[in-house]
Amino acid sequence: DTEVTQTPKHLVMGMTNKKSLKCEQHMGHRAMYWYKQKAKKPPELMFVYSYEKLSINESVPSRFSPECPNSSLLNLHLHALQPEDSALYLCASRLIAGVPSYEQYFGPGTRLTVT
Amino acid sequence: AQSVSQHNHHVILSEAASLELGCNYSYGGTVNLFWYVQYPGQHLQLLLKYFSGDPLVKGIKGFEAEFIKSKFSFNLRKPSVQWSDTAEYFCAVKGSGNTGKLIFGQGTTLQVKP
Repeated sequence: DTEVTQTPKHLVMGMTNKKSLKCEQHMGHRAMYWYKQKAKKPPELMFVYSYEKLSINESVPSRFSPECPNSSLLNLHLHALQPEDSALYLCASRLIAGVPSYEQYFGPGTRLTVT
Repeated sequence: AQSVSQHNHHVILSEAASLELGCNYSYGGTVNLFWYVQYPGQHLQLLLKYFSGDPLVKGIKGFEAEFIKSKFSFNLRKPSVQWSDTAEYFCAVKGSGNTGKLIFGQGTTLQVKP
């Protein structure tokens, strides 16, 4: 299994809603990432988890709350978002063990629209 | 701080034309370089990577890239493009430290006309 899966594929939410994005991988990768991508722009790193511990928070507003319940799962909890938060949210994972390999495997993303 | 620069923002080619997309990075110790492709409506896929060894790297779908240390460059090439190569191409370099953070260039939109 060489896949990173993300659910849902599309999400429309109001500014007062609470929702969660889910990411899953079964490749034994111990680093997982959340990115935000606007159209025709590169992915912007939001959070990095290494061995289920948060290692990087790129000054992301607190209305985004990441969670890594186990080595296969990564969640992004959303609350009180703004319309400018509408974007494609990408999850990625990377193998840490053994010979360092820094390539990241990306999921298909969740297209988020905030109304 | 490390950075990646992609000079071509939008490239339009006819099928069978040769492709070269420029990528320059700022020096930051050991270099790990990547090219990712994002086809319309699809997720980012790794085209090729360079860690060490032979500076000419071959990737999937007939793509290759050459690491030229003296020029801080990692240009992507394909001898003959197809309509199906229409996509967004991102060059990336691993950031300093061990988190595996990737620093992406701004991307190049490639449009191949049939």
